[in-house]
Amino acid sequence: GESVGLHLPTLSVQEGDNSIINCAYSNSASDYFIWYKQESGKGPQFIIDIRSNMDKRQGQRVTVLLNKTVKHLSLQIAATQPGDSAVYFCAENPWGNLIFGKGTKLSVKP
Amino acid sequence: DAGVTQSPTHLIKTRGQQVTLRCSPKSGHDTVSWYQQALGQGPQFIFQYYEEEERQRGNFPDRFSGHQFPNYSSELNVNALLLGDSALYLCASSPPGVDGYTFGSGTRLTVV
Repeated sequence: GESVGLHLPTLSVQEGDNSIINCAYSNSASDYFIWYKQESGKGPQFIIDIRSNMDKRQGQRVTVLLNKTVKHLSLQIAATQPGDSAVYFCAENPWGNLIFGKGTKLSVKP
Repeated sequence: DAGVTQSPTHLIKTRGQQVTLRCSPKSGHDTVSWYQQALGQGPQFIFQYYEEEERQRGNFPDRFSGHQFPNYSSELNVNALLLGDSALYLCASSPPGVDGYTFGSGTRLTVV
């Protein structure tokens, strides 16, 4: 399948380590944020979301942190696995549609 | 339960031609949005359809048009294709009153 990871920032981690992917968003009016995972040849897959009235939300092996002061989101993946290798996008929703960030390619070394 | 389905999966067109892409939303979803994803970039919002009307539109020329049918399925039409229209076109659907979006696998359009 085609690659969506060309020319993207890359994070390379060892299997079993924790991964942290960062994202800056642009619109102060955004009140809903989503992290998506996109594998080659597939559409974005929902990972976790957070609303602006929260600063942290945890899922299974994933945590999203929101810092509204500096308009920054991070995605933490615990015990990263080879299946986590993909491009990760943050998205903000200020007006009912999604604005995506540039994306980070996560590469997991066995 | 099928998710969002898009057709065709791949398409090759010549400059100046017209193309129609199709999307069936996830069951229970009534809002459909279309995104364009160039290689190495994040998806860019094209427009959103709700109750068979265009509700929001991104920064795309009017060569890009769409339609939503009573069964909530949708079409994206692009006229006078340019080489720069080559991209992955993604459809996303969402249920009533919910912000979450489910994406399809996309249609890869190549303009030659």
